[in-house]
Amino acid sequence: AQTVTQSQPEMSVQEAETVTLSCTYDTSESDYYLFWYKQPPSRQMILVIRQEAYKQQNATENRFSVNFQKAAKSFSLKISDSQLGDAAMYFCAYRTDDKIIFGKGTRLHILP
Amino acid sequence: DARVTQTPRHKVTEMGQEVTMRCQPILGHNTVFWYRQTMMQGLELLAYFRNRAPLDDSGMPKDRFSAEMPDATLATLKIQPSEPRDSAVYFCASGSGQYFSLNTGELFFGEGSRLTVL
Repeated sequence: AQTVTQSQPEMSVQEAETVTLSCTYDTSESDYYLFWYKQPPSRQMILVIRQEAYKQQNATENRFSVNFQKAAKSFSLKISDSQLGDAAMYFCAYRTDDKIIFGKGTRLHILP
Repeated sequence: DARVTQTPRHKVTEMGQEVTMRCQPILGHNTVFWYRQTMMQGLELLAYFRNRAPLDDSGMPKDRFSAEMPDATLATLKIQPSEPRDSAVYFCASGSGQYFSLNTGELFFGEGSRLTVL
């Protein structure tokens, strides 16, 4: 069965610094998507970034980038120049055709 | 601006009462998911549908929970009878099922229904 593990329940980072959130997953599939979702206090789930497993190039969206290591089944999220608005719960997610599975989340605190 | 709509946003009820949560997926999306979010368990997949047919509801307590899609614009999640341990935020999300082609595989979430069972 596929699983997604986020080993850091909480993290803190100083405003303007860089932080990396970890995610590992387990699957026997070769084609899948990986996502990072952000959930601010409003509880709305917001897509931050996506990565297709067949693409070797790491996805980047402005200050957000991933380090995708397919062989190691690792998918970490790097947030550069952290801002107060980045404070939220972050969920790593794995999707194959009929399933999307989420990790338990990492709560990110931004210190002013 | 296409979005997933969930009702109610908040529901407080007493143990033993029936609760029905509704979801309107984004028009054209053929896959609908129900998730439950708690502090302890995170986001748990309860059920999902493709083209209105249930594909997997193995994450759902069968004795009290039921999920249906009466038509392409409405998904429902019902709890009968409700218990205090059902208190959680319930999310509906929709997307396109054939993720290899012509779409990004992304799920779009509603704002969730916060259920409190006393």
